[in-house]
Amino acid sequence: GENVEQHPSTLSVQEGDSAVIKCTYSDSASNYFPWYKQELGKGPQLIIDIRSNVGEKKDQRIAVTLNKTAKLFSLHITETQPEDSAVYFCAHPKGGTASKLTFGTGTRLQVTL
Amino acid sequence: NAGVTQTPKFRILKIGQSMTLQCTQDMNHNYMYWYRQDPGMGLKLIYYSVGAGITDKGEVPNGYNVSRSTTEDFPLRLELAAPSQTSVYFCASSYEGYQPQHFGDGTRLSIL
Repeated sequence: GENVEQHPSTLSVQEGDSAVIKCTYSDSASNYFPWYKQELGKGPQLIIDIRSNVGEKKDQRIAVTLNKTAKLFSLHITETQPEDSAVYFCAHPKGGTASKLTFGTGTRLQVTL
Repeated sequence: NAGVTQTPKFRILKIGQSMTLQCTQDMNHNYMYWYRQDPGMGLKLIYYSVGAGITDKGEVPNGYNVSRSTTEDFPLRLELAAPSQTSVYFCASSYEGYQPQHFGDGTRLSIL
């Protein structure tokens, strides 16, 4: 199948700490792994993505890692700030079709002062 | 640039009524998508289009119809509204399949 499981569903961290969100997938054909951030009342916004030929990608405080053996991709946020508070979604192409993304159920991240 | 614009932002319908959710993008993107998001859930793909005149079903197409007569516009039609269609609807666009999808701010639809 082409399901994606995302954990945890909620995550609370103190400002300055790191946050990690994990997603597992079942379709071996998956080759594109984006992460989206959704703020209250807004549409999701892409924050980082990775292709299957790369094991890790960084963009300032955000990184994504991919473990193809375990079918696991993870979002890492370091030095968290209050503005990182949002819902984060992982996604991957259904059946390897890039235009058909399957989204995880989301992780609500709360960064406390 | 406005990006992806959705109208209306909110709407209440009675069971059995019909309506069209409008979506337009000004980024000259080839691909456009419609998703629904139920409370506490991820997004589910309803329909998508890879170019003008071409549409295809997503994961949850029943009860909906789409058309793509221009690159810019991708309206979603609900013919006979049912309570199960109460949701937040998001339109998105991308240049091609493996490119970031740009989302509108959604239409919150309630069917009573």
